[in-house]
Amino acid sequence: DIEMTQSPSSLSASVGDRVTITCRASQGIRNDLGWYQQKPGKAPKRLIYAASSLQSGVPSRFSGSGSGTEFTLTISSLQPEDFATYYCLQHNSYPITFGQGTRLEIK
Amino acid sequence: QVQLQESGPGLVKPSQTLSLTCSVSGGSISSGVYYWSWIRQHPGKGLEWIGNIFYSGITYYNPSLKSRVTMSVDTSKNHFSLRLSSVTAADTAVYYCASLKVIPLYEAFDPWGQGSLVIVSS
Repeated sequence: DIEMTQSPSSLSASVGDRVTITCRASQGIRNDLGWYQQKPGKAPKRLIYAASSLQSGVPSRFSGSGSGTEFTLTISSLQPEDFATYYCLQHNSYPITFGQGTRLEIK
Repeated sequence: QVQLQESGPGLVKPSQTLSLTCSVSGGSISSGVYYWSWIRQHPGKGLEWIGNIFYSGITYYNPSLKSRVTMSVDTSKNHFSLRLSSVTAADTAVYYCASLKVIPLYEAFDPWGQGSLVIVSS
């Protein structure tokens, strides 16, 4: 199985901050990676696909980068609605696996 | 635009079989564009992929659940289903259906259903 190690597991930040979340794959996954935002009681919402492609309708302050084993999600200027939990997932090979999540909290 | 909606019992007794259906609207389940997927989330925990099914019936299951999982597609009803046998309290979770696009590009799950909470309890 490909293990997705996501860091940090939690993060406190302020509105306007720049935030970076990292996912490391235990083996190369090309760019078969997505980033998701989840708010309490809601289904995950895709932000990024193919490691760096911005989902339609998602604000441009969100960006993704990386290929192979190292990936990052960056939020350039945090907004109040961005406080949520974020997950990466790899769909390069089965079983499909998720990172453990990063809880982004208000400082 | 494809939309997904889960349905099924919210309460299942231990040792019984959990059954959920995901109705697909806004597109044909037989389009060949998507794999159709089930994902679950234990209360307060992370996400766990359960399995994928193609309209032709090809399946991929998580090895951790493979012995208990059966997925199926009903093209006439434009829906797909999940059966999880011999459930225990550890199967209590929110179950999501989702789609995994394979044409023209391979893309991570989108869209998702709203989720269906299933509680295993006597």
